[in-house]
Amino acid sequence: EVQLVQSGAEVKKPGESLKISCKGSGYSFANYWIAWVRQMPGKGLEWMGILHSDDSDITYSPSFQGRVTISVDKSISTAYLQWSGLKASDAAMYYCARGAATIDGLDYWGQGTLVTVSS
Amino acid sequence: DIQMTQSPSSVSASVGDRVTITCRASQDIRSWLAWYQQKPGKAPKLLIVAATTLHSGVPSRFSGRGSGTHFTLTISGLQPEDFATYYCQQVNSYPHSFGQGTKLQIK
Repeated sequence: EVQLVQSGAEVKKPGESLKISCKGSGYSFANYWIAWVRQMPGKGLEWMGILHSDDSDITYSPSFQGRVTISVDKSISTAYLQWSGLKASDAAMYYCARGAATIDGLDYWGQGTLVTVSS
Repeated sequence: DIQMTQSPSSVSASVGDRVTITCRASQDIRSWLAWYQQKPGKAPKLLIVAATTLHSGVPSRFSGRGSGTHFTLTISGLQPEDFATYYCQQVNSYPHSFGQGTKLQIK
């Protein structure tokens, strides 16, 4: 069974660093892309960026470039999304999702990681 | 960047109705469009890829049409489990932008 399991909810203060994870199982992790998607409270989906799990080819949305870092450790089938200085506006649900190719849809999604940023 | 615009933003319908949601791209995206369904508190689910191809396991009452800049998602014979928010996403070029969503509510 294909699964993407994300790390648990986080509560952070503005300025703090954070790294959340997304572990794939039940498929050949290195053959797929992983995308990260933000959903702010009560709002729509925002595409943040995408990474190829094998060669770490990464593309960021201009809206998120420089604000977050996407990475992967294929030895443990895990992708990451990290911030070096959180802002209150980073509070949101973050999803990882799998795609077979960049022109495919995202066919499996993680359960989401809720990030709360509050002083 | 390509902008994706969905209409309507919300629609009310009854069980058994046929509903069509429209998604327009700000430039030609050929057929590189996906549709998703999201229920409250849940991750999105993939419905349609390449504008018209039903993802595995998706009921045949869902259908997609279009190419270029104009796309539609139609649900024929609405079921109670179909009331949700629907998003289109272009995957033609980066960033792979989503539409703003269409909330399908029970009338």
